[in-house]
Amino acid sequence: KNQVEQSPQSLIILEGKNCTLQCNYTVSPFSNLRWYKQDTGRGPVSLTIMTFSENTKSNGRYTATLDADTKQSSLHITASQLSDSASYICVVSSSNSGYALNFGKGTSLLVTP
Amino acid sequence: GAVVSQHPSWVICKSGTSVKIECRSLDFQATTMFWYRQFPKQSLMLMATSNEGSKATYEQGVEKDKFLINHASLTLSTLTVTSAHPEDSSFYICSAHSGASGSNEQFFGPGTRLTVL
Repeated sequence: KNQVEQSPQSLIILEGKNCTLQCNYTVSPFSNLRWYKQDTGRGPVSLTIMTFSENTKSNGRYTATLDADTKQSSLHITASQLSDSASYICVVSSSNSGYALNFGKGTSLLVTP
Repeated sequence: GAVVSQHPSWVICKSGTSVKIECRSLDFQATTMFWYRQFPKQSLMLMATSNEGSKATYEQGVEKDKFLINHASLTLSTLTVTSAHPEDSSFYICSAHSGASGSNEQFFGPGTRLTVL
């Protein structure tokens, strides 16, 4: 069964600090992995997308890594800001399941002053 | 580019009434659109996939007669929740796939919060 597990479930950090969110998956065969940011009451917004051959991708203060061998990904947020408070969702797609996306439950991040 | 809008952003209705939610791709043609439901602190759950001009494909456990989907054009899909009940209260999110990008990326709308009294 294709699964995507994220950790931690929630995280509280001080403004300006860095943090790393984890994503482990069992989706096979792998096609790509995306990290989304979802603000409360809003739809998900794409941060990064990585295919099998990519092991790191940056988008401003967000840096995602991918280890396709161990089926793990991380999202590192540098110099956090209050506006980073949101849910971060890891989404993995398989190359043999069309448009189907496998969603993680997300990590709820709260950045405090 | 790749902007998806939803209308309304929130709606409150009485039990037993029907509610229509619109999903539009603003700057691209969406050959396929998806409807998701998200309960608090839960992951997005796919309800159905709709292709322009054809019937929607519903996920197991989703009642097609209760959640009517129409994808009449390449830029518009609608979800109608018929005879709504309080348990239908949820956050409904649509996404759209352009088909022209060569990837399976979906672009998500901002969501619609439905509250059934």
